Amino acid sequence: DAGVIQSPRHEVTEMGQEVTLRCKPISGHNSLFWYRQTMMRGLELLIYFNNNVPIDDSGMPEDRFSAKMPNASFSTLKIQPSEPRDSAVYFCASSDSYGYTFGSGTRLTVV
Amino acid sequence: DQQVKQNSPSLSVQEGRISILNCDYTNSMFDYFLWYKKYPAEGPTFLISISSIKDKNEDGRFTVFLNKSAKHLSLHIVPSQPGDSAVYFCAASGEYGNKLVFGAGTILRVKS
Repeated sequence: DAGVIQSPRHEVTEMGQEVTLRCKPISGHNSLFWYRQTMMRGLELLIYFNNNVPIDDSGMPEDRFSAKMPNASFSTLKIQPSEPRDSAVYFCASSDSYGYTFGSGTRLTVV
Repeated sequence: DQQVKQNSPSLSVQEGRISILNCDYTNSMFDYFLWYKKYPAEGPTFLISISSIKDKNEDGRFTVFLNKSAKHLSLHIVPSQPGDSAVYFCAASGEYGNKLVFGAGTILRVKS
């Protein structure tokens, strides 16, 4: 298995633009998580899905953030409009009963 | 309000010596604790875990200690090696497989 695959690896965008981050979880994993890493707060959970259904989105910072999981093999995190303070590394992780596996992350820079 | 706290942003240790990374938590419902290791440009990877029914778990050079009454856990690395230099995240869960709450991380530098 190729692990959790995130794209793009790096994204630089201008303030106000829409940004879409993508994640392909490990096949057979029934939970998917989106985390954001910042220097101040470490890894913050934004939202997680169980069997494609959003279970807890209390970590989503604002209405500008939205996430979808249309099927078991794909999820997106969208920021619209983006702001400089959204600059961070965004990680996707999937899990089964044995534990979590993280993707390599997307480094987002909003200028 | 951070439920999992790693109060030391960084730690520097000489090769061969012991590294001790600390973590405190506030939620008494947490019953499963993990440590993750992260290298630059990579995602965090699982290192070691401990259930609340135990107070110690060992895996090679890595040992995790849990003090439930103090809501404190620590990771000991003995002996430390330069390849251990990374960011270490403490995480906690109320149910295995459920969402993990992470601390802010501690940067460990092992000097040769």
